[in-house]
Amino acid sequence: AQSVTQLGSHVSVSEGALVLLRCNYSSSVPPYLFWYVQYPNQGLQLLLKYTTGATLVKGINGFEAEFKKSETSFHLTKPSAHMSDAAEYFCALSSGTYKYIFGTGTRLKVLA
Amino acid sequence: NAGVMQNPRHLVRRRGQEARLRCSPMKGHSHVYWYRQLPEEGLKFMVYLQKENIIDESGMPKERFSAEFPKEGPSILRIQQVVRGDSAAYFCASSQQGSYEQYFGPGTRLTVT
Repeated sequence: AQSVTQLGSHVSVSEGALVLLRCNYSSSVPPYLFWYVQYPNQGLQLLLKYTTGATLVKGINGFEAEFKKSETSFHLTKPSAHMSDAAEYFCALSSGTYKYIFGTGTRLKVLA
Repeated sequence: NAGVMQNPRHLVRRRGQEARLRCSPMKGHSHVYWYRQLPEEGLKFMVYLQKENIIDESGMPKERFSAEFPKEGPSILRIQQVVRGDSAAYFCASSQQGSYEQYFGPGTRLTVT
């Protein structure tokens, strides 16, 4: 069975500090992996995705993620947090079909 | 270039009433997906529709919930006789023919009082 685990439902970082949001997955087939951001009362916006090829994926707003098959991980990072990054972040998995499996989300708080 | 549109954005219903949620996919997209997000949880797949066809409704509760995507007009998620446990955010996503990359709408937040 496929699953996505996001470690840490709440993460706080200082403005300017490194952002690291963790995502581990389980899949019996090569996965497609996604990170979405959700601002309060808004829909999900795609930050980045991994399908095949280069394992380091760069997305919008300075975010990037690295697919590590040996660790079954797809952690999201940003070198320097900005106040506008405060939001909820979801990791999602697809086996190349339409059915996305979402993690439970990580709420990022950025401290001034 | 409008994205996926959902209305209403907020919906309040009393227990026992019906809720109708609408989703207009992106222009050129013929596939629609509905997801439900319960408080403090991730999104859960409910149903996948193409025009006039339900492809996969494995995530839909067996009773009270139905979905359609008619030839003309938006996709509709219908919840009959709502209960408090139906309170959630309902998201619609759409994709093009031949692609499973999904684009999400802003969601409808349903509150059952």
